[in-house]
Amino acid sequence: DQQVKQNSPSLSVQEGRISILNCDYTNSMFDYFLWYKKYPAEGPTFLISISSIKDKNEDGRFTVFLNKSAKHLSLHIVPSQPGDSAVYFCAASATGSNYKLTFGKGTLLTVNP
Amino acid sequence: SQTIHQWPATLVQPVGSPLSLECTVEGTSNPNLYWYRQAAGRGLQLLFYSVGIGQISSEVPQNLSASRPQDRQFILSSKKLLLSDSGFYLCASSGYNEQFFGPGTRLTVL
Repeated sequence: DQQVKQNSPSLSVQEGRISILNCDYTNSMFDYFLWYKKYPAEGPTFLISISSIKDKNEDGRFTVFLNKSAKHLSLHIVPSQPGDSAVYFCAASATGSNYKLTFGKGTLLTVNP
Repeated sequence: SQTIHQWPATLVQPVGSPLSLECTVEGTSNPNLYWYRQAAGRGLQLLFYSVGIGQISSEVPQNLSASRPQDRQFILSSKKLLLSDSGFYLCASSGYNEQFFGPGTRLTVL
């Protein structure tokens, strides 16, 4: 039973264009959502997060959108750069869960020069 | 910010041998600590978490155990490794709203 789903295993975009990574969740108790970026053989690094009281959070080239009614969130990267090529994980947590994160399986983003 | 140390970076062990992976944290006190595993082609699965010294919660039944002998030390162990224990093991520590991850240990069980 996967509570956080990233249905696209991979995504390929051209440098300078927008990358949109999608994530769906099923547990209505989740109220905090995060995106992590991971390079091979390294630990994930935190990218951006959003609380369920918001529907958008922006940090430079990265914007996360949350649609609570659809239980869907997305990460927009614009403009995409070759250095953005990595696996992106969506994660979710619920208040009172000791900050435990439930991760999706990840999406491999490739940005072509 | 926090720094998470893990060692060893890579490990090749025979089936049936014991395991001990260590994680230490700098830059914080009394953090929640977590062990995750990423198996080939899969996401990150939470194995154990700890909210304090000696306090361990297991998320999935398995061949592994965890211990927290000190505030900023978290250890993952096994008495007898299985082939299915192969994977990339990550230690994480709680921040304000996010978790900080260590560099990981690649474990191959042959």
